[in-house]
Amino acid sequence: EADIYQTPRYLVIGTGKKITLECSQTMGHDKMYWYQQDPGMELHLIHYSYGVNSTEKGDLSSESTVSRIRTEHFPLTLESARPSHTSQYLCASSESQTVIYEQYFGPGTRLTVT
Amino acid sequence: AQSVTQPDIHITVSEGASLELRCNYSYGATPYLFWYVQSPGQGLQLLLKYFSGDTLVQGIKGFEAEFKRSQSSFNLRKPSVHWSDAAEYFCAVAGNTDKLIFGTGTRLQVFP
Repeated sequence: EADIYQTPRYLVIGTGKKITLECSQTMGHDKMYWYQQDPGMELHLIHYSYGVNSTEKGDLSSESTVSRIRTEHFPLTLESARPSHTSQYLCASSESQTVIYEQYFGPGTRLTVT
Repeated sequence: AQSVTQPDIHITVSEGASLELRCNYSYGATPYLFWYVQSPGQGLQLLLKYFSGDTLVQGIKGFEAEFKRSQSSFNLRKPSVHWSDAAEYFCAVAGNTDKLIFGTGTRLQVFP
């Protein structure tokens, strides 16, 4: 059973606010990912990391930023939230830097920007 | 480039009936294939995966999927659906990188 946590689960915030979505995993996984998912749509990769101090942008352009200072922690930050950022954000992790393993997902954060 | 197509947006079945969810992929070589399930308000849970070997793979919760190279398909099946199976199902493919490409999902509704 994978242990990957996201907080908050739900967030309603006004335009222009700075927000940080937290993601933590207790499995010691090297790889971590952030996906954005709109209702009824597929998941789109927005950021990923292969380890500490490694961050890369994903296939979908995003105004968010990420950091990876500790293996277990991969927070996502929006400096100035806009209504277009309203979506569900899913964090995931997987085991190895060199082999394709399945990804384990957190429960998601549903963000609404008013 | 890799891509995944799930032709059925919404499927409704009666409890106890059999189920097949379709997934077609596009990739030049043998892909890594996954099926995930997402219950409302939750993250994704891995049902099963195909990396190589036996083309019929067994997963959790009584699901299975069959890899058919000639049809570029990886359909998910269950012989008898339970009401708790109602959820969104996502097929995903990975090629020579670890990035997963997801389909748009199939929403399964189960009637008693």
